[in-house]
Amino acid sequence: KNQVEQSPQSLIILEGKNCTLQCNYTVSPFSNLRWYKQDTGRGPVSLTIMTFSENTKSNGRYTATLDADTKQSSLHITASQLSDSASYICVVSESYGQNFVFGPGTRLSVLP
Amino acid sequence: DGGITQSPKYLFRKEGQNVTLSCEQNLNHDAMYWYRQDPGQGLRLIYYSQIVNDFQKGDIAEGYSVSREKKESFPLTVTSAQKNPTAFYLCASSIGGDSSYEQYFGPGTRLTVT
Repeated sequence: KNQVEQSPQSLIILEGKNCTLQCNYTVSPFSNLRWYKQDTGRGPVSLTIMTFSENTKSNGRYTATLDADTKQSSLHITASQLSDSASYICVVSESYGQNFVFGPGTRLSVLP
Repeated sequence: DGGITQSPKYLFRKEGQNVTLSCEQNLNHDAMYWYRQDPGQGLRLIYYSQIVNDFQKGDIAEGYSVSREKKESFPLTVTSAQKNPTAFYLCASSIGGDSSYEQYFGPGTRLTVT
């Protein structure tokens, strides 16, 4: 069964600190992996997308990594800001059709 | 939320009533999707449409219905047959139906059924 797991479930950090969120998947055949940011009560917004051949992708203070061999990805947030408080969702797509498998998300709280 | 609107933001209904959630996009996207989000779970696909007048069931279509009469509109009806309808509903669209295309999400509708 195709699954996406994320850890930790929730995380609290102080403003200015770095953090790393994890995503493990069993989706096969693999097409791409996306990280989304979802503010409370809003729709998800795309941060990064990586295909099989990419092992790192940055978007400002957000850096995603992908290890297709171990089927793991991480999202690193540098110098966190209060506005980073949100849920971060890992989404993995199969190679065929339009099947997206969503992880449950990691809830990040950044405190002043 | 880029060109996708959902209305209303909050919706309250009595059990046994059908309710329709609106989703409109002005991105000229061919594909549109409806997802359901529950606490602690990933988004689950209800229905999707890759072209006007055509749609397919997702993983949890029971108790829901959709129509795609216009390219820009993809309304979702939550029927009384849906056993647990209270949830956050998200609509999304993409240029095409292939998973290589990015999905753009609307702001969501929170439905509460009592």
